[in-house]
Amino acid sequence: DTEVTQTPKHLVMGMTNKKSLKCEQHMGHRAMYWYKQKAKKPPELMFVYSYEKLSINESVPSRFSPECPNSSLLNLHLHALQPEDSALYLCASSQATGGSYEQYFGPGTRLTVT
Amino acid sequence: ELKVEQNPLFLSMQEGKNYTIYCNYSTTSDRLYWYRQDPGKSLESLFVLLSNGAVKQEGRLMASLDTKARLSTLHITAAVHDLSATYFCAVDGSSNTGKLIFGQGTTLQVKP
Repeated sequence: DTEVTQTPKHLVMGMTNKKSLKCEQHMGHRAMYWYKQKAKKPPELMFVYSYEKLSINESVPSRFSPECPNSSLLNLHLHALQPEDSALYLCASSQATGGSYEQYFGPGTRLTVT
Repeated sequence: ELKVEQNPLFLSMQEGKNYTIYCNYSTTSDRLYWYRQDPGKSLESLFVLLSNGAVKQEGRLMASLDTKARLSTLHITAAVHDLSATYFCAVDGSSNTGKLIFGQGTTLQVKP
């Protein structure tokens, strides 16, 4: 099973709302990632968790707050977002970071900030 | 800073034709990945290339890696409409961090 699941598929939120995106994998992977993808652009890395510890934060604004409660689950907490944060948010996982480990992507959450 | 450049960015071709997408990157790396993305969908892994001279084939797609030239190619043979999608190459930017740097993507349109 090479499946990464994400919920919700779509999310519309106002600039004062608080919401969370959820990502789950049951492949025993120890690295998990959040990417942001704008229309017609490549994915941009936001965060990397390795063995449940945050290892990379690509200078992401604090209105995005990641959390890795356990090795299978990754959350992205959203607060006071701006309309320019509207994008497809992709979660990925890999066996570990580095090496030859392929990243498997989830279906994404399409976020619209109004 | 690692940069990854693809060309062409847009490719319209007839079914049955052959073409190559190029992926150049700016610093040494021996790990390169190709992904496919259909409109509104997620990324599907196509190929993982891990050494100089690596060549992998799946159906009508063949990918190769030349680490000395810092170049990977994705060759399409006898294109069919189902191959219409956006193709991204990605390079491992820093050893052991998992940080992928993606090219801009090549949107392939195969006309029947």
